[in-house]
Amino acid sequence: NAGVTQTPKFRVLKTGQSMTLLCAQDMNHEYMYWYRQDPGMGLRLIHYSVGEGTTAKGEVPDGYNVSRLKKQNFLLGLESAAPSQTSVYFCASSYYESNEQFFGPGTRLTVL
Amino acid sequence: AQSVTQLGSHVSVSEGALVLLRCNYSSSVPPYLFWYVQYPNQGLQLLLKYTSAATLVKGINGFEAEFKKSETSFHLTKPSAHMSDAAEYFCAVSEKNAGNMLTFGGGTRLMVKP
Repeated sequence: NAGVTQTPKFRVLKTGQSMTLLCAQDMNHEYMYWYRQDPGMGLRLIHYSVGEGTTAKGEVPDGYNVSRLKKQNFLLGLESAAPSQTSVYFCASSYYESNEQFFGPGTRLTVL
Repeated sequence: AQSVTQLGSHVSVSEGALVLLRCNYSSSVPPYLFWYVQYPNQGLQLLLKYTSAATLVKGINGFEAEFKKSETSFHLTKPSAHMSDAAEYFCAVSEKNAGNMLTFGGGTRLMVKP
């Protein structure tokens, strides 16, 4: 099993550009999450999904959109990137009956 | 809203010394508690978790943590530090709810001196 994978690993954008980050999991998990990690602030939840076709806002959703068209995939979109979105983005997934989350390796995004 | 406080953003110990990383949480009900470790340029890996069974929880790599309800704490310890323990450690809390969301502390970077 590959676990949780993220694409791409690195990306540099200019202000105003758009992009989509892809998260895939092969563990048949119901729940999936997108976090951003910034120095000294731990991980903050952007959006999450409790099942295929459903999404919900987390702590810091502004400027991001998500979609979960397939159970195994969770996409994070930036419509108009801003320098404040420079961060490391992590995807995670979990079973509905367990609080343990499994994390991907991260995507390092720089917005110039 | 829940919050998690990790005292000390950086902790430095000598190899072989005791490791103590502090975590306090705010929750009105006994939560689920977790410690995750992040090695450089990697994702987070679960070290251990407390889910209302034994208050002393043993995890991987010789780490353990004790849940103290009266102190709302869940400190992480290891009797003898190894160079390979150098990493960033995150405490997280969750309540049983839809989505099983985690709230993370700010993290503590552990440095191990030879």
